[in-house]
Amino acid sequence: KAGVTQTPRYLIKTRGQQVTLSCSPISGHRSVSWYQQTPGQGLQFLFEYFSETQRNKGNFPGRFSGRQFSNSRSEMNVSTLELGDSALYLCASSLRDSYSGNTIYFGEGSWLTVV
Amino acid sequence: DQQVKQNSPSLSVQEGRISILNCDYTNSMFDYFLWYKKYPAEGPTFLISISSIKDKNEDGRFTVFLNKSAKHLSLHIVPSQPGDSAVYFCAALASQNFVFGPGTRLSVLP
Repeated sequence: KAGVTQTPRYLIKTRGQQVTLSCSPISGHRSVSWYQQTPGQGLQFLFEYFSETQRNKGNFPGRFSGRQFSNSRSEMNVSTLELGDSALYLCASSLRDSYSGNTIYFGEGSWLTVV
Repeated sequence: DQQVKQNSPSLSVQEGRISILNCDYTNSMFDYFLWYKKYPAEGPTFLISISSIKDKNEDGRFTVFLNKSAKHLSLHIVPSQPGDSAVYFCAALASQNFVFGPGTRLSVLP
């Protein structure tokens, strides 16, 4: 079955603009989570959505937001972009119908460059 | 405060030898652990996992060991192959939160 699909793969934005990234999870997966990866920082958790509800949120400013639709597809939005927002943004999906023993599967990511 | 630590940013191993990647955690509530491999310009791919009720899980060339008392886990790859060269992330799960380590870059030299 198809994996996690993220669009766009690459984009360049200027400071102050906003950006929307999209993620289609694996069919049947109801949980979608977002991560930011910057060099040397590993994977920083942004937020997780399950059945259209934000279930968890990481330690990021309010400029970072997301939503999930009834078909489990998710979008994340970053407003008032800053140079430090340049990163690889990864989406991951999982069944997550129990609290443990579920693996998350990543998409290939969206590379955002802010100039 | 990093809850999941991978203290070696990089590791070089000769082809055919064993690679050992280490991970330490501080939160005793973590009850499930995973390893992911990431190539440049790709998303992380799941490798192997282990539940806190076990101390070892094996899948082909990959074995994960968990020492709960030391809050330490390790990934063993044997024999190492050049295609294993990638960044390896350790991840831990407590209730609904996945926490990732900063990663270790493994280079397998031919």
